[in-house]
Amino acid sequence: GAVVSQHPSWVICKSGTSVKIECRSLDFQATTMFWYRQFPKQSLMLMATSNEGSKATYEQGVEKDKFLINHASLTLSTLTVTSAHPEDSSFYICSANVRGNTGANVLTFGAGSRLTVL
Amino acid sequence: LAKTTQPISMDSYEGQEVNITCSHNNIATNDYITWYQQFPSQGPRFIIQGYKTKVTNEVASLFIPADRKSSTLSLPRVSLSDTAVYYCLVVNTDKLIFGTGTRLQVFP
Repeated sequence: GAVVSQHPSWVICKSGTSVKIECRSLDFQATTMFWYRQFPKQSLMLMATSNEGSKATYEQGVEKDKFLINHASLTLSTLTVTSAHPEDSSFYICSANVRGNTGANVLTFGAGSRLTVL
Repeated sequence: LAKTTQPISMDSYEGQEVNITCSHNNIATNDYITWYQQFPSQGPRFIIQGYKTKVTNEVASLFIPADRKSSTLSLPRVSLSDTAVYYCLVVNTDKLIFGTGTRLQVFP
């Protein structure tokens, strides 16, 4: 089946540094990918929609200059957390749509990346 | 986007059947109902998807009444490894907005 690979699975960085998270569709092409953030004991929150070859679409309240998204190819989207601060510590998850058995789209998720900012 | 409502948490014992109901009163004609399972520190995993009536696969069944304003995920004979958060979503576009989910705790 379709696989979305996310790297790194966990990262620790100092406050003020930038961190890049990669999301790859391994055996299919994804013109659109989605980035979510999840805090402990909470649901997933959609941050942005990543579009291949064009600018990402950010959800309300998400700072586009802080969370840089690049979707340079049909199999790779990256999320860069710039000038990270402790409040950016969270679980970041990417996903891509795959056509399901019903004909409707089914989101396939990466394993997630745990970011801890010291 | 149709909003979903599900119980915050449920408890069960091993070997029991668990039914988790989700309400989606404003579901649109083209919306499909999809359920995901999430373990701690992992990405959500697709369980089952349906449009109407009943859908069954190797891990679960999905029951959808005629008015489609609700759906029930049925997990037969749960085990400890089924302890997870279960999310119900309805969507006909690409973007998925997650609700609170149901935290299922299975006890021995």
